[in-house]
Amino acid sequence: QLQLQESGPGLVKPSETLSLTCTVSGGSITSSPYYWGWIRQPPGKGLEWIGSISYSGSTYYNPSLKSRVTISVDTSKNQFSLRLRSVTAADTAVYYCARQVGATDCFDPWGQGTLVPVSS
Amino acid sequence: EIVMTQSPATLSVSPGERATLSCRASQSVSSNLAWYQQKPGQAPRLLIYAASTRATGVPARFSGSGSGTEYTLAISSLQSEDFAVYYCQQYNNWPPVFTFGPGTKVDIK
Repeated sequence: QLQLQESGPGLVKPSETLSLTCTVSGGSITSSPYYWGWIRQPPGKGLEWIGSISYSGSTYYNPSLKSRVTISVDTSKNQFSLRLRSVTAADTAVYYCARQVGATDCFDPWGQGTLVPVSS
Repeated sequence: EIVMTQSPATLSVSPGERATLSCRASQSVSSNLAWYQQKPGQAPRLLIYAASTRATGVPARFSGSGSGTEYTLAISSLQSEDFAVYYCQQYNNWPPVFTFGPGTKVDIK
C-alpha cells in the first residue's frame, strides 16, 4: 500500500525558506505515469495546490506561487521536495504531499500533513 | 484560473437522511472533477473522480454526478462517520492549474 510522509522543520522565520520532503513508501516514485504534488491548507481554511512534479523532473506550479516555489525529486531516495522562499505569516499552513495519476489528475493518496508555522 | 464554488457552506443533516452537495466551476471542466472528504485533523481522502467514479473502498452510499460546470455529490443515508468537510477539485486545465472549492461542512442536525 502506497504511503507518503512529509518531513521538515516545525517552524520557519519570516523571509526565510520553507523546505519540506515527502518520502514515498510501498511503491516507486519512478512509476509511470504518476506525478507527485504539494497542497497546503492554512489553519481553518481551504486547500491550495502548490505544484507538481514527475519522476523525470517535469514541473507545474500554481501561478500565484510560481515565483517563490521549487519542487524537486530524488529518485535514489524515493523522495520529492518543496522549497518556498521568502515566507510570510500567510504561508503558515498544513502542507500535504500526494500522488497524481498523470499530469492532470486528482490526488490520491495523501500524506498525513505537517503544520509549518511562520513566525519569528 | 478556473474558480470553484460550493453550496451550501454548511449542511445540517440528521443521521440516516440524504445529503446533496453542489459544486460549480466558472467554466466547463469536462467531468475532470473530484470530491474529497476531510475529517478534523486528517488529510483529505479521495471519494469520487471523473465526476462519478467512486475511489477504491468508498461506500456505495456516495455518488457523484454532473457535467460541464455543475456537479453534485450525494450521500444517500448519512452515517455518523460521514460528518466532515467535503471539497471539490477540478483538474481540467492545460498547463495544469488545479483549484479546489471552498468546501461544504456536513454537520449533525
